[in-house]
Amino acid sequence: QKEVEQNSGPLSVPEGAIASLNCTYSDRVSQSFFWYRQYSGKSPELIMSIYSNGDKEDGRFTAQLNKASQYVSLLIRDSQPSDSATYLCAVATSGSARQLTFGSGTQLTVLP
Amino acid sequence: DAGVIQSPRHEVTEMGQEVTLRCKPISGHDYLFWYRQTMMRGLELLIYFNNNVPIDDSGMPEDRFSAKMPNASFSTLKIQPSEPRDSAVYFCASSLRGRASGNTIYFGEGSWLTVV
Repeated sequence: QKEVEQNSGPLSVPEGAIASLNCTYSDRVSQSFFWYRQYSGKSPELIMSIYSNGDKEDGRFTAQLNKASQYVSLLIRDSQPSDSATYLCAVATSGSARQLTFGSGTQLTVLP
Repeated sequence: DAGVIQSPRHEVTEMGQEVTLRCKPISGHDYLFWYRQTMMRGLELLIYFNNNVPIDDSGMPEDRFSAKMPNASFSTLKIQPSEPRDSAVYFCASSLRGRASGNTIYFGEGSWLTVV
């Protein structure tokens, strides 16, 4: 069983819709959770981090964390074609807060 | 800040040759990471350093892989001898300890390695 699991997609949504990306993790003592966006041929870039249960909003992005159920999600409101990318969920494992384990990513396409 | 700088950006080499990838972390960052990304296995942590000291190299696939960090501004990842299955994008990343940094890891642009 992978430590961090994501639906690989591809996920397609029309422009202006809400895109919902989900991630589950296996290490119950994980404390830090991150969403990275990776455009094709580029490096991952951090777009959201969340540490406590509940929702965290930043512009069009909302991260949701439920530690009891061991899942973290990312909602993108008013999706734009420029949001088309692979979204990577990352979890700081219990061994070290500096060591991230990444999911395999979900490929999102926003259709104009 | 210039960000994490990696070289070479692209390398094509023949099987059996030695490959050296280089990284300059963001100035002042005390953690440095080497990741490998492939379609099959995704983004995998190979090794990371704290204050130039290797902390965890459990992700290094084989003895053919080695990494060094002789000082705070330079690290290398070496593959000797290289094999076709080493073909991947190798990312170097760095971060700064502290609550304010929020564990943010900054990635370089990657080194695209093809072993033929």
